Amino acid sequence: AQSVTQLDSHVSVSEGTPVLLRCNYSSSYSPSLFWYVQHPNKGLQLLLKYTSAATLVKGINGFEAEFKKSETSFHLTKPSAHMSDAAEYFCVVSATSNSGYALNFGKGTSLLVTP
Amino acid sequence: GAVVSQHPSWVICKSGTSVKIECRSLDFQATTMFWYRQFPKQSLMLMATSNEGSKATYEQGVEKDKFLINHASLTLSTLTVTSAHPEDSSFYICSARISAGTFYNEQFFGPGTRLTVL
Repeated sequence: AQSVTQLDSHVSVSEGTPVLLRCNYSSSYSPSLFWYVQHPNKGLQLLLKYTSAATLVKGINGFEAEFKKSETSFHLTKPSAHMSDAAEYFCVVSATSNSGYALNFGKGTSLLVTP
Repeated sequence: GAVVSQHPSWVICKSGTSVKIECRSLDFQATTMFWYRQFPKQSLMLMATSNEGSKATYEQGVEKDKFLINHASLTLSTLTVTSAHPEDSSFYICSARISAGTFYNEQFFGPGTRLTVL
């Protein structure tokens, strides 16, 4: 089965400092991995996705993630946090389901950005 | 990007009544839509996959007679929670998958519907 584990339920950073949100995956084959962001009262937005091309994936709003097969990790990073980055972040792996295709979500990491 | 809307965004109902939630793809056609459920402080769990013109496929443990899904057109899927009970209170999120073009196979999510059953 394909699954992801987000290692931190809450992360707090100061504005202007780097962001690191950690995610480990479990998959019996080469997975497709995603990071989504959820702002309050807004729909989930795709930040970036890995689909077996370049291992370093660049996304929107300055975020990027590196796929490391040896470590089964797909951590999300950003060099400098903005106040607007405060939100819930989900690491997601594509998976099979009764319908043949699904997304398995991690439990989420709540990012707090302080002034 | 593609836009997905949900209506209503928030609903309160009495126990035993039914509630219908709509999911619309506003600027693209979606042959496949998905319904997720999110409990407070928890992750999204896939409930069912809705395919236009055919019956929905439900995930294990989801009661198909309680959560009725209809996908009558390429831009609209509905989820009806029948005989709702307080334990059905949750945040319901739909997504629509683009079947062609630049964003092929990518899912776009609606803003969600918060259901509270009294």
